[in-house]
Amino acid sequence: DTEVTQTPKHLVMGMTNKKSLKCEQHMGHRAMYWYKQKAKKPPELMFVYSYEKLSINESVPSRFSPECPNSSLLNLHLHALQPEDSALYLCASSQEGGSQETQYFGPGTRLLVL
Amino acid sequence: EDKVVQSPLSLVVHEGDTVTLNCSYEVTNFRSLLWYKQEKKAPTFLFMLTSSGIEKKSGRLSSILDKKELFSILNITATQTGDSAVYLCAVEATGAQKLVFGQGTRLTINP
Repeated sequence: DTEVTQTPKHLVMGMTNKKSLKCEQHMGHRAMYWYKQKAKKPPELMFVYSYEKLSINESVPSRFSPECPNSSLLNLHLHALQPEDSALYLCASSQEGGSQETQYFGPGTRLLVL
Repeated sequence: EDKVVQSPLSLVVHEGDTVTLNCSYEVTNFRSLLWYKQEKKAPTFLFMLTSSGIEKKSGRLSSILDKKELFSILNITATQTGDSAVYLCAVEATGAQKLVFGQGTRLTINP
């Protein structure tokens, strides 16, 4: 199984809502990533978890809150988002988060904030 | 600051043509360069290059890295309409644990 799955596929939320994005992989990978991708732009890294510990936070606003409950799951909790946060949110995983590792991406969640 | 630049940003060719996509980079402590193809949603992995001068090949796609001149090219021969996509180049630096992406090349193959 070389698949990274993400739910939901699409999400529409208001600025006062609280929602969560979920990501799951069963490849035994110990590093998981959240990326944000705006239209016609490359993915931008948000967070990296390595062995279930947050290792990189790319100065992401606190209205985005990542959580890694176990080595297979990665969540992104959303609260009080702004319309400019509308984007495709991609999850990826790799072996250990070290060098020369391929990152495998999930299909993404397309988020619209109204 | 680590930087990846792709060219051209957009390319339109006819089916059957051969295309070459370029990726140049400035990265402290380079580790690897990756090529991804992105259609409607998530990027799908194509190649990882770590050694200079060694061509990686998969069907009609091939890629090579030049670590001295700090660039890579992705070649697609006998293009098909299904090759239409955005091709992303990303570079990993030692210990950085993250990929730095280029802007992508939007390739359109017309029948």
